[in-house]
Amino acid sequence: QQQVKQSPQSLIVQKGGISIINCAYENTAFDYFPWYQQFPGKGPALLIAIRPDVSEKKEGRFTISFNKSAKQFSLHIMDSQPGDSATYFCAAGAEGYGGSQGNLIFGKGTKLSVKP
Amino acid sequence: EAGVAQSPRYKIIEKRQSVAFWCNPISGHATLYWYQQILGQGPKLLIQFQNNGVVDDSQLPKDRFSAERLKGVDSTLKIQPAKLEDSAVYLCASSLGLAGKNIQYFGAGTRLSVL
Repeated sequence: QQQVKQSPQSLIVQKGGISIINCAYENTAFDYFPWYQQFPGKGPALLIAIRPDVSEKKEGRFTISFNKSAKQFSLHIMDSQPGDSATYFCAAGAEGYGGSQGNLIFGKGTKLSVKP
Repeated sequence: EAGVAQSPRYKIIEKRQSVAFWCNPISGHATLYWYQQILGQGPKLLIQFQNNGVVDDSQLPKDRFSAERLKGVDSTLKIQPAKLEDSAVYLCASSLGLAGKNIQYFGAGTRLSVL
């Protein structure tokens, strides 16, 4: 119940294409779903996050789609650019889960390569 | 605003030796986290502090790992003795620690190689 399953493990997309990464969770107590972007040699950085009271959130070229009934959420990167090449992690957490502020359970990551 | 600072960036030790990592969180952040990130996997929480108290250490291998945050600011994570399977990147993160504002900011990590 504590797992967050992420797919695909790796993804190659042409410049200008759409990158789609999917995640699934089981614990219905989760109420916070962030996506982190990690470049080699750097720590993960928050990209975008969603709470289950909305089905979609968009920030620039990045969109999270959330399906509460299916317990799935996905990251869409529109007009993918070579600078988007990085590893992307989905995560899930909840206020009060695992602590007063809630720790995050991370997926295993997706390595995205955007070809020029 | 300065980010989360970690040192050293890299460390190579032999098995059964001890090692310590240091973290300085973003100023004013009450919550501090230590994560272990094994190559090809997502970060896994080891321990979470709220100020200088431990909130969650359920996944910390307490027979060999220890951590402290004595004054509620800096933190150290220690491994003694190290095993081959401890080779990983150790990430420190911090957050404001307020309800609904649990954005975690990560440092660059310490890459540990145990030979």
